[in-house]
Amino acid sequence: EAQVTQNPRYLITVTGKKLTVTCSQNMNHEYMSWYRQDPGLGLRQIYYSMNVEVTDKGDVPEGYKVSRKEKRNFPLILESPSPNQTSLYFCASSLSLAGTYNEQFFGPGTRLTVL
Amino acid sequence: KQEVTQIPAALSVPEGENLVLNCSFTDSAIYNLQWFRQDPGKGLTSLLLIQSSQREQTSGRLNASLDKSSGRSTLYIAASQPGDSATYLCAVRPPGGGADGLTFGKGTHLIIQP
Repeated sequence: EAQVTQNPRYLITVTGKKLTVTCSQNMNHEYMSWYRQDPGLGLRQIYYSMNVEVTDKGDVPEGYKVSRKEKRNFPLILESPSPNQTSLYFCASSLSLAGTYNEQFFGPGTRLTVL
Repeated sequence: KQEVTQIPAALSVPEGENLVLNCSFTDSAIYNLQWFRQDPGKGLTSLLLIQSSQREQTSGRLNASLDKSSGRSTLYIAASQPGDSATYLCAVRPPGGGADGLTFGKGTHLIIQP
């Protein structure tokens, strides 16, 4: 089944404790990205990757890191989490940016609470 | 900067009714527009994608239209069912299919009463 998977689905942690949220897709997609969703603010892009070893900042990158060493994986790293990073996180992927049909597929979400 | 607005923010209708959800965007120069469904505790499910050159797309009981010049899209749901209850989000992609992410509206929370 074609899908985007994220782990963990739920995480409660404390301020300053480094964590990684994994994202993996099995559709051979080139483009991957991370969003966060907050009440009243909607979904905002954190980082994106156009292909292996190519990453760039989205709208709200502060406090986050990413890496793209393999095409299928795009982990989100919080080196020193803070309470304002409490949010619902989504990973997304699409086949490419080229062409006119680049539907984005989203993972199930990771609910992160930073105490 | 592109802004996407969805009206109404919430809607409750009896089962069986046809309904329309609205989405407007400030910059008409978009690459495509995508409608999603979000269920509580779950991810986003893509419903329909309309290219900038298209006027509408249909999937089952869903029909999405796009009027790029006026910056509007509608999602029509025919013969609504309780299982349609969810939050519906529309999102636009920047012109040129650029690397920038989708810009999302804040969604319409839909409740279909049995």
